[in-house]
Amino acid sequence: GQQLNQSPQSMFIQEGEDVSMNCTSSSIFNTWLWYKQDPGEGPVLLIALYKAGELTSNGRLTAQFGITRKDSFLNISASIPSDVGIYFCAGQEATGNQFYFGTGTSLTVIP
Amino acid sequence: EAGVTQSPTHLIKTRGQQATLRCSPISGHTSVYWYQQALGLGLQFLLWYDEGEERNRGNFPPRFSGRQFPNYSSELNVNALELEDSALYLCASSRVGSGRSDTQYFGPGTRLTVL
Repeated sequence: GQQLNQSPQSMFIQEGEDVSMNCTSSSIFNTWLWYKQDPGEGPVLLIALYKAGELTSNGRLTAQFGITRKDSFLNISASIPSDVGIYFCAGQEATGNQFYFGTGTSLTVIP
Repeated sequence: EAGVTQSPTHLIKTRGQQATLRCSPISGHTSVYWYQQALGLGLQFLLWYDEGEERNRGNFPPRFSGRQFPNYSSELNVNALELEDSALYLCASSRVGSGRSDTQYFGPGTRLTVL
């Protein structure tokens, strides 16, 4: 199955800094989802995007659905220690209902 | 509204045994997805059920199987367990509409350990 390209693989940042990560696919998607996973737990949905160009915020998190419909971006502003975790992107093709996942971005916030 | 639930939370088996994992989707959701997540790795797609039928399966051997019941809950069975089957097994559900965009919600997972 398709695997989304997610970058960077890991990030080490100082508390208060902004974070950016992105995801790209080889095919057109009609849905992009962003999740955060804490160790040993299930991923928690952060933001869902359904339209090309859409920009959606959830507190300090902002995500965008790329115009080409083949990419998406997640930004975290003013990072805090509880932002630590693994962030996954997921996409759903226009032609089907299966979801494809990125390889994850591991975020470490240094106090 | 209750989220996706999974049981058991932890499961310890020995090589060669069988494991059964269970998942209850969010009320109103007809699709259930199963994923395997080995330690430190990403999510590997296992199976997708919708309306009681298997719609797609990932690149896993036939000893990974499952089913979906009339109430949309689902079971994942792993036969002839191997050490490398040790992982977090995640279930997710979504409300499938014909061609409409959808969102997938995850359960807390079942940690399977094979000794």
